[in-house]
Amino acid sequence: QLQLQESGPGLVKPSETLSLTCTVSGGSISSSTYYWEWIRQPPGKGLEWIGSIYYSGTTYYNLSLKSRVTLSVDTSKNQFSLKLSSVTAADTAVYYCARRNGGNKNWFDPWGQGNLVTVSS
Amino acid sequence: DIQMTQSPSSVSASVGDTVTITCRASQDIANWLAWYQQKPGKAPKLLIYLASNLQSGVPSRFSGSGSGTDFTLTISSLQPEDFATYYCQQANNFPVTFGGGTRVEIK
Repeated sequence: QLQLQESGPGLVKPSETLSLTCTVSGGSISSSTYYWEWIRQPPGKGLEWIGSIYYSGTTYYNLSLKSRVTLSVDTSKNQFSLKLSSVTAADTAVYYCARRNGGNKNWFDPWGQGNLVTVSS
Repeated sequence: DIQMTQSPSSVSASVGDTVTITCRASQDIANWLAWYQQKPGKAPKLLIYLASNLQSGVPSRFSGSGSGTDFTLTISSLQPEDFATYYCQQANNFPVTFGGGTRVEIK
């Protein structure tokens, strides 16, 4: 079945750029049916949607983060990526990648296991 | 953005109990609501979509109801593996937003 796996550094310094990659296995990221998502969860807190990318490169961002977020997709590697610039301690969170159906089916399944990123000097 | 408010924030229950969790949206979202279960250290798992549709593989003791602004997740005959945190999520428009979570604890 489809699996997603986040990868990237667990520690990022303040003001630097957080970079994570999600590798999709068991299915193609180039499917016209799905969108690929990033969601984060600060320790002990709730969930926040970051943004979404289609295999064609079309992106949708949460306006609260839009100025700092860049999503990209590499269909040859079946991967999509997140970059979050100018990070602060408030960006410390578990970052999840997930799949979303298109066509207004705006729920997420499955999810990756998550990647804890700590922002600290 | 649509605000999602869950209540209670936590509930203590025993195995075999029925637990009801409420989620309220700040505006009408029709039936565009999903529920997730999250266990410590794990990713959320989709339980219910479109307010009342059970995701494949989810036990039938989980059920969802509601439309408009008020929604309910009911867990009947609570099992040991059901002790977790539950989140609602509005799927009506972007940005999608989540409730603050309800932690179901063992009494």
